[in-house]
Amino acid sequence: GENVEQHPSTLSVQEGDSAVIKCTYSDSASNYFPWYKQELGKRPQLIIDIRSNVGEKKDQRIAVTLNKTAKHFSLHITETQPEDSAVYFCAASIGNMLTFGGGTRLMVKP
Amino acid sequence: DTAVSQTPKYLVTQMGNDKSIKCEQNLGHDTMYWYKQDSKKFLKIMFSYNNKELIINETVPNRFSPKSPDKAHLNLHINSLELGDSAVYFCASSPQRAYNEQFFGPGTRLTVL
Repeated sequence: GENVEQHPSTLSVQEGDSAVIKCTYSDSASNYFPWYKQELGKRPQLIIDIRSNVGEKKDQRIAVTLNKTAKHFSLHITETQPEDSAVYFCAASIGNMLTFGGGTRLMVKP
Repeated sequence: DTAVSQTPKYLVTQMGNDKSIKCEQNLGHDTMYWYKQDSKKFLKIMFSYNNKELIINETVPNRFSPKSPDKAHLNLHINSLELGDSAVYFCASSPQRAYNEQFFGPGTRLTVL
């Protein structure tokens, strides 16, 4: 089955700096790569996603890149703010099956 | 309010008991899921139903039995609860299409004493 590795497991940045989270996946058949943000005690919520036929996607301060050949994808957050502090999950999907990475706890220090 | 809802939000019970968690979605989605999130925050799929039919059944003890009375509901029944079942259980739903954004419920925190 699919295996998704996510790094780093924790990331601490100063407010205003950029944050980058990286994921790799194992199954070349995966075709959809969402990113979820989970605040403490809350549900995971989709923040951005990318399909396998696209290399990059941007939405305001967040962007995702996908390298299908290398089977890795990344989340970039620019101008980080304290409210960006949360756990971020990457995932890879084949059909209805979403496999999540282990999560990255992002802490943005004011 | 369109959403995925779960009840109860918190569930504290003794080892050996049987309990159920209910999930409902009013998004008109065809597919529903149960995920388990352990204390290390790892999210793992347990089951998936599409139009009341089981399509994903990961390696889960058969003490866990999902039931889907209709495509808007997916309940999770757990028999003979064990300490290791303590976790947060999330229900989710998605439309039936090639790229399935999944919408999560608020979660049920199960504590087995």
